[in-house]
Amino acid sequence: EDQVTQSPEALRLQEGESSSLNCSYTVSGLRGLFWYRQDPGKGPEFLFTLYSAGEEKEKERLKATLTKKESFLHITAPKPEDSATYLCAVGEGSNYKLTFGKGTLLTVNP
Amino acid sequence: GAVVSQHPSRVICKSGTSVKIECRSLDFQATTMFWYRQFPKQSLMLMATSNEGSKATYEQGVEKDKFLINHASLTLSTLTVTSAHPEDSSFYICSASPRGTLDTQYFGPGTRLTVL
Repeated sequence: EDQVTQSPEALRLQEGESSSLNCSYTVSGLRGLFWYRQDPGKGPEFLFTLYSAGEEKEKERLKATLTKKESFLHITAPKPEDSATYLCAVGEGSNYKLTFGKGTLLTVNP
Repeated sequence: GAVVSQHPSRVICKSGTSVKIECRSLDFQATTMFWYRQFPKQSLMLMATSNEGSKATYEQGVEKDKFLINHASLTLSTLTVTSAHPEDSSFYICSASPRGTLDTQYFGPGTRLTVL
């Protein structure tokens, strides 16, 4: 069973159409939950780290929230340049490794 | 801040040859660096963890004699793919955590390896 599951696999939005991406996890002893953005042929770009349930972080049109079982990445009034694959990863306990989900491919049409 | 570079960005080699990929943290020192592999439309899979001045720790199923990792300084780790075969063709990405923390990992731009 996957420890990190992202949904949907792909999402198409019109410019300005707000939505949310989901990341559910089953690790015990969450050390941190990380959101990254990855453009085609590039390495992941760091967006947010969340540590505890109830925590929220914002950056421009993106807002990440965390509960005990899942995280949401809310995208408000997206623009075409927000099109990318959004990756969620978790760190467990004192383990320094990150376990990645398979990502959500977001396409924002003008 | 927290910039990681990789070189080369893409490489094409013949089967049986070895290829070295460099990963550098440009504006911070990294005690620990990580090497990932990513196949098309797949997520990142950790290959190994590289610690400065000590041997790398490899994930299950990753051949340590095939993927040689050296972390000679606090800003440089190298991955050498030895005797490369077409099935080694992939996107290799490194990441680094700033010294004193194993929290957020910052990723390099990746290296596209094609083995003919």
